[in-house]
Amino acid sequence: KQEVTQIPAALSVPEGENLVLNCSFTDSAIYNLQWFRQDPGKGLTSLLLIQSSQREQTSGRLNASLDKSSGRSTLYIAASQPGDSATYLCAVLGNQFYFGTGTSLTVIP
Amino acid sequence: DTAVSQTPKYLVTQMGNDKSIKCEQNLGHDTMYWYKQDSKKFLKIMFSYNNKELIINETVPNRFSPKSPDKAHLNLHINSLELGDSAVYFCASSQWDYTGDTQYFGPGTRLTVL
Repeated sequence: KQEVTQIPAALSVPEGENLVLNCSFTDSAIYNLQWFRQDPGKGLTSLLLIQSSQREQTSGRLNASLDKSSGRSTLYIAASQPGDSATYLCAVLGNQFYFGTGTSLTVIP
Repeated sequence: DTAVSQTPKYLVTQMGNDKSIKCEQNLGHDTMYWYKQDSKKFLKIMFSYNNKELIINETVPNRFSPKSPDKAHLNLHINSLELGDSAVYFCASSQWDYTGDTQYFGPGTRLTVL
């Protein structure tokens, strides 16, 4: 059974820092991996989708990489801002969707 | 302009009651999903429908029954509610084949069973 782990569970950084969030999964037989952000009391917003054949995707200050063979993905956030504060979830799609438990990010002004 | 909407946003009810949560998407997507997020923030898929047909049905109690009257709607009906059903339920949709497309999520419905 697929297991998705996100480290760290919580992260607090000063504004302007670059940071990396990690996601690991145990079964490399996936179709894609997706990163989401979840704001308190709100739904999930899709940030980046990486197909299994791709190595990375970029959107603005965000860059996500995928190493399927090692079962890892990273989400890189450049020049963090207080508005980036949220919980970040990764999800892999194999025979079904599996979500990690998320990393709670706080960017301190 | 809301892409994926859910009603109600909050639902507080007594054990044993029957309740429904509605979901609608105006994105023209063919596939819709229901997820349950427990108190530990862990999201788990419950159901997926593609063009009104069930394509994923995870191991959930048969007290949960999805209904898709058309491809823009996927409602979740829950019978005989139990304390353990308390969670946030998210609806989502994607373009067509769920293997390759971004999912768009609704704002969630926080269900509290007393």
